[in-house]
Amino acid sequence: DADVTQTPRNRITKTGKRIMLECSQTKGHDRMYWYRQDPGLGLRLIYYSFDVKDINKGEISDGYSVSRQAQAKFSLSLESAIPNQTALYFCATSSQADTGELFFGEGSRLTVL
Amino acid sequence: GQNIDQPTEMTATEGAIVQINCTYQTSGFNGLFWYQQHAGEAPTFLSYNVLDGLEEKGRFSSFLSRSKGYSYLLLKELQMKDSASYLCAVLDSNYQLIWGAGTKLIIKP
Repeated sequence: DADVTQTPRNRITKTGKRIMLECSQTKGHDRMYWYRQDPGLGLRLIYYSFDVKDINKGEISDGYSVSRQAQAKFSLSLESAIPNQTALYFCATSSQADTGELFFGEGSRLTVL
Repeated sequence: GQNIDQPTEMTATEGAIVQINCTYQTSGFNGLFWYQQHAGEAPTFLSYNVLDGLEEKGRFSSFLSRSKGYSYLLLKELQMKDSASYLCAVLDSNYQLIWGAGTKLIIKP
């Protein structure tokens, strides 16, 4: 089983719908991240969390929200999806000591029509 | 602003050597990372440089020059499975990773 698991892996939805992407990890890491990846662009950070009580906005947080339900779980929500949120979304974790070495989930491909 | 530049695409021949360059301008520097990403898959960590010089790990090596804001990833004895995108990322002064757009490496027989 993967150490970082994302659900769903693929989702097609319509404009205006609420969508939640879930991430769970078994690595025991405190730090968790949500990124989106678009063709021709680098990974862009949406939100990150250094522990259960810590939530921080990343580079592109507008239109997104997150919830850190437990050390192992970090969910990303799109309250009202729009077409330019169509992208590949990755959850990642890192240990406090190795902030730059990230462990990624398999990705969630979201299409907003 | 912060910027990381790497070539969009490169082509190389199986068994050969290829060098993928990365230049960066960031607010502070706490390390440079290379990741490999096969099509449709998650990025995986390859290497980490924080001091100037060459770090070797099997067929892969990574070089850093902090004064020049420059790094390269060297892949030797290329195999078809090395066909992937290679992502350069810098940890800035706030310990945030800044990512390049990635270099797609195509290996031909």
